Amino acid sequence: GNSVTQMEGPVTLSEEAFLTINCTYTATGYPSLFWYVQYPGEGLQLLLKATKADDKGSNKGFEATYRKETTSFHLEKGSVQVSDSAVYFCALQTGANNLFFGTGTRLTVIP
Amino acid sequence: EADIYQTPRYLVIGTGKKITLECSQTMGHDKMYWYQQDPGMELHLIHYSYGVNSTEKGDLSSESTVSRIRTEHFPLTLESARPSHTSQYLCASSDRAPRTDTQYFGPGTRLTVL
Repeated sequence: GNSVTQMEGPVTLSEEAFLTINCTYTATGYPSLFWYVQYPGEGLQLLLKATKADDKGSNKGFEATYRKETTSFHLEKGSVQVSDSAVYFCALQTGANNLFFGTGTRLTVIP
Repeated sequence: EADIYQTPRYLVIGTGKKITLECSQTMGHDKMYWYQQDPGMELHLIHYSYGVNSTEKGDLSSESTVSRIRTEHFPLTLESARPSHTSQYLCASSDRAPRTDTQYFGPGTRLTVL
């Protein structure tokens, strides 16, 4: 079956620190992979996605590379800002099926 | 930028009341979804729709019902609200890209049942 295992939080970092949030998956077939972000009091926003192995998704300084050999899609950012404080969700989709979400990781960035 | 709207944003209501959470999108998307988000942040799919007159139950059993009479509108109804229904409800819609259905989310409705 399909599942997403996401690094448990909460994660607290100082401004300008390096961020990694781990995400691994199991899937039948060849999934597409996503990172969504949820800012306080809001719905989810698509942050980035990758649709095939070795693709790199990037947006707003965040990056994630689709690694088929390790079934991973880790989220990284070189220098976080206070405004990056949010909950981050890893998700996968196979074909026209629905999204499978991880449990979310809360990031707090302190000045 | 996605255009998907949910009303109300916040709702506090007494036990036994009937409520309808509204969701509308202006993107012409065929697929729409309702998620329930618990305080631990985990998202659970409770309903989805492939298009007009299509409704399907999601992964989490829910006492709510949905309807899809118009493409742009996907309301969720609780006939008799209970405290166990207290949660955040997120609506989403998706396009049909060649290989993926990127979902766009509304801002959510935070429901509290007293």
